[in-house]
Amino acid sequence: DQQVKQNSPSLSVQEGRISILNCDYTNSMFDYFLWYKKYPAEGPTFLISISSIKDKNEDGRFTVFLNKSAKHLSLHIVPSQPGDSAVYFCAASVGGSQGNLIFGKGTKLSVKP
Amino acid sequence: ETGVTQTPRHLVMGMTNKKSLKCEQHLGHNAMYWYKQSAKKPLELMFVYNFKEQTENNSVPSRFSPECPNSSHLFLHLHTLQPEDSALYLCASSHPTGELFFGEGSRLTVL
Repeated sequence: DQQVKQNSPSLSVQEGRISILNCDYTNSMFDYFLWYKKYPAEGPTFLISISSIKDKNEDGRFTVFLNKSAKHLSLHIVPSQPGDSAVYFCAASVGGSQGNLIFGKGTKLSVKP
Repeated sequence: ETGVTQTPRHLVMGMTNKKSLKCEQHLGHNAMYWYKQSAKKPLELMFVYNFKEQTENNSVPSRFSPECPNSSHLFLHLHTLQPEDSALYLCASSHPTGELFFGEGSRLTVL
C-alpha cells in the first residue's frame, strides 16, 4: 500500500499562473516532507522541505503547505515559468531529516508559454 | 551537476550477463543509496549504506549485489537479471540535513 500518494499524474498550467501540486500520505509518523524536481534524463534534485512542526515553508517562488490533520501537503509555484516543466516528486520520512525517504509516483507539470 | 556521477548512463544486457553500475560522489556525504525507478511506480529504495556499512536491504533479490568499498563509491553488481528488472537505477548520497543528491541514473534494459 502506498504511503505517499500523488494522485494527479499530470498538470498543465499557463505561464505566469499558479501551479499547485498535491500530495497525500497515510503514515501519521511521517515528520519530514520534501519535494524533488526531475527533468528528463536527469536525477531528481531537491527543491524544498518542511518539518511537521511547521505548516508553511517558502523559498522564492516555491511554497510548501502542510496540513497534518488532513495528511496533505501541497507545493505552490508562483508565478509558473516554462522552465518549471518537470516531474515533481513528493517524499516523506520518519525520524526527521535523517530518515529514509518514501516517494510518491510523481506529477508531471507542463507550463505553457 | 549534483556532484553524484553514475556510469554507464545506458546499459543493455542479456539475462545471462554480469554487469555493474557505478556511482561516485565527492560531496563528503557518508550515506549512499540505490533507488529503482520503474514506469508508473514510485521510486523504490533498494539499499542504504552508512559509513560503508549496509544498513538497509529493502527485500531486493540476490541477483542485485551492492558493494561500497569506501564512502565515495557505490556499485551495483547485476547477475542473471530478468526483463522486469529493466528500469532507471538512481544512486544518491545524503547531506547531513537529510536532502538526497541524486545522480542522473543508469537506464538498464534487460533483453
